[in-house]
Amino acid sequence: DAKTTQPNSMESNEEEPVHLPCNHSTISGTDYIHWYRQLPSQGPEYVIHGLTSNVNNRMASLAIAEDRKSSTLILHRATLRDAAVYYCILRTESGSARQLTFGSGTQLTVLP
Amino acid sequence: GAGVSQSPSNKVTEKGKDVELRCDPISGHTALYWYRQSLGQGLEFLIYFQGNSAPDKSGLPSDRFSAERTGGSVSTLTIQRTQQEDSAVYLCASSLLRGNSPLHFGNGTRLTVT
Repeated sequence: DAKTTQPNSMESNEEEPVHLPCNHSTISGTDYIHWYRQLPSQGPEYVIHGLTSNVNNRMASLAIAEDRKSSTLILHRATLRDAAVYYCILRTESGSARQLTFGSGTQLTVLP
Repeated sequence: GAGVSQSPSNKVTEKGKDVELRCDPISGHTALYWYRQSLGQGLEFLIYFQGNSAPDKSGLPSDRFSAERTGGSVSTLTIQRTQQEDSAVYLCASSLLRGNSPLHFGNGTRLTVT
């Protein structure tokens, strides 16, 4: 199974942009890159996904490297509510990836 | 609309007892996942149901763990003869069976084995 690697933790100041990196060097051509975040005492929530092109939605932006071996989740203006664990995972085109391996994610701390 | 619902939200049980955890996925979602999350850890895959296919049970930690999904909808995770190391948050997620379909998680069941 294709794996992802992320830094264990990152810090950001409130109202500043945050760039959360993810490496996925063994990604296959049919893998979608998904990002989720988990707030304390809650289940993970979907943030954004992409395949090849950069993506934007109301929550964040996703920048995907040209070779697709890495990606970056961008929070344009961090707020205290963005403090969470962020997970980057790969999901196959058929959706049948048996083990969606979440790993330990990146703990984002937002400083006031 | 209704999201993924898990019950109970909290369960305290004595060592050796059996427990059943329930997951109500989003209607129409053919894929259903169970994960386990110990305190301060990431998500550990347990089992995956995909439509009418045989489930992928490769993540179940022991034969005390089993799960079923009736009618392609509700799923139940059963832990027999619970042990203290089973204490964790058990999370359920559902999605459409496409790579570009997001997973929708419930808020989990916090299991404490005393």
